Amino acid sequence: DADVTQTPRNRITKTGKRIMLECSQTKGHDRMYWYRQDPGLGLRLIYYSFDVKDINKGEISDGYSVSRQAQAKFSLSLESAIPNQTALYFCATSDPGTNLQETQYFGPGTRLLVL
Amino acid sequence: AQSVTQPDIHITVSEGASLELRCNYSYGATPYLFWYVQSPGQGLQLLLKYFSGDTLVQGIKGFEAEFKRSQSSFNLRKPSVHWSDAAEYFCAVGPRGGADGLTFGKGTHLIIQP
Repeated sequence: DADVTQTPRNRITKTGKRIMLECSQTKGHDRMYWYRQDPGLGLRLIYYSFDVKDINKGEISDGYSVSRQAQAKFSLSLESAIPNQTALYFCATSDPGTNLQETQYFGPGTRLLVL
Repeated sequence: AQSVTQPDIHITVSEGASLELRCNYSYGATPYLFWYVQSPGQGLQLLLKYFSGDTLVQGIKGFEAEFKRSQSSFNLRKPSVHWSDAAEYFCAVGPRGGADGLTFGKGTHLIIQP
């Protein structure tokens, strides 16, 4: 089984709809992240969480919210979807360990189309 | 603020030829540096990473990268490419110890000619 899973893998929605993307991990990592990928722009950070009580905004948080339900679960919500939120969304996890050298591990991505 | 520049949007290489993908970074402190690969329709897979020590790092699939502090570069190399190396390659920089996410370059699309 994959260490970082995302559901759904593909989603089509309409403008104005609320949508939630979910991420689960079995790596036991405390830190989780949401990125979006747009063609020609690479990945950009939306939100990140150090633990269930610590949520931080990333570079492009406007229009998004998150919930850290447990150490293993981190959800991204679009309260009112708009077409320019059409993108590929990635969840990632990391754990600094004892020497603070952390590596991020990515899920397979959720492809979202907002009509 | 940190940033990553991948100057080449597309690179075409013949199968069996050598490859070098360029990455330049801007970061105030000593960086953590990463190369990820994204195959068509797939997620991101870590190729290699540099934290400290030997500036030439070896990764998976025969890739290596060299950290050059004086040039703020972390170029990815492979001596002989295979058709299966066709993919999107991303360079990223992250903070030491902190965890406020990675900053990615815009990616280089690698095309392999037969």
